[in-house]
Amino acid sequence: EVQLVESGGGVVRPGGSLRLSCAASGFIFDDYGMTWVRQVPGKGLEWVSGISWNGGSTAYADSLKGRFTISRDNAKSSLYLQMNSLRAEDTALYHCVRIGYSTTKGAFDVWGQGTMVTVSS
Amino acid sequence: DIVMTQSPDSLAVSLGERATINCKSSQSVFYSSNNKNYLAWYQQKPGQPPKLLIYWASTRESGVPDRFSGSGSGTGFTLTISSLQAEDVAVYYCQQYYDTPYSFGQGTKLEIK
Repeated sequence: EVQLVESGGGVVRPGGSLRLSCAASGFIFDDYGMTWVRQVPGKGLEWVSGISWNGGSTAYADSLKGRFTISRDNAKSSLYLQMNSLRAEDTALYHCVRIGYSTTKGAFDVWGQGTMVTVSS
Repeated sequence: DIVMTQSPDSLAVSLGERATINCKSSQSVFYSSNNKNYLAWYQQKPGQPPKLLIYWASTRESGVPDRFSGSGSGTGFTLTISSLQAEDVAVYYCQQYYDTPYSFGQGTKLEIK
């Protein structure tokens, strides 16, 4: 079964850091680009960041540049999101998502359940 | 940045009737080099992550019922559910993956009339 399982969410103070992880299984991880999408509960979807199959190409939402870093470890079939200088507006459910292509230019075909990040003092 | 705008924001349709959701992009998401529209549709039910329904604007994802269809090109797209079933109650999103930052429409909430 193709599966993505996120971890690492929690409550953090403004200005703090968190590292999200995503464990992939059931498919050849390094055949696919990967991405993070976040959703404030009850609201819409916001694309956060994407990475190509070998990590050679990355992209970020404009509002996040310099604060978030996406990375992957193909040997561990894992995706990561390092989040620094967190703000209240970063509070959301963060989904790990597979892109149906080796680059980042593809539809998002497999979604994890998400890990909740709450930024609050 | 490409802005995606869906209409309507909410929609109530009777069981067995047709449901139509529209999506407009602020610039074309069509690549002439490969003749593809970089546009996808997703379905999200309460408490679940989104599910991919349609990609390349009109290609149905494996396992998606054939009552779901996508059409359009360039800047205007449509998701059609030909005969609404009770299990289709959800929020539907369009998304462009033509250029970063990738962007989603605001969502259309589909209910039973």
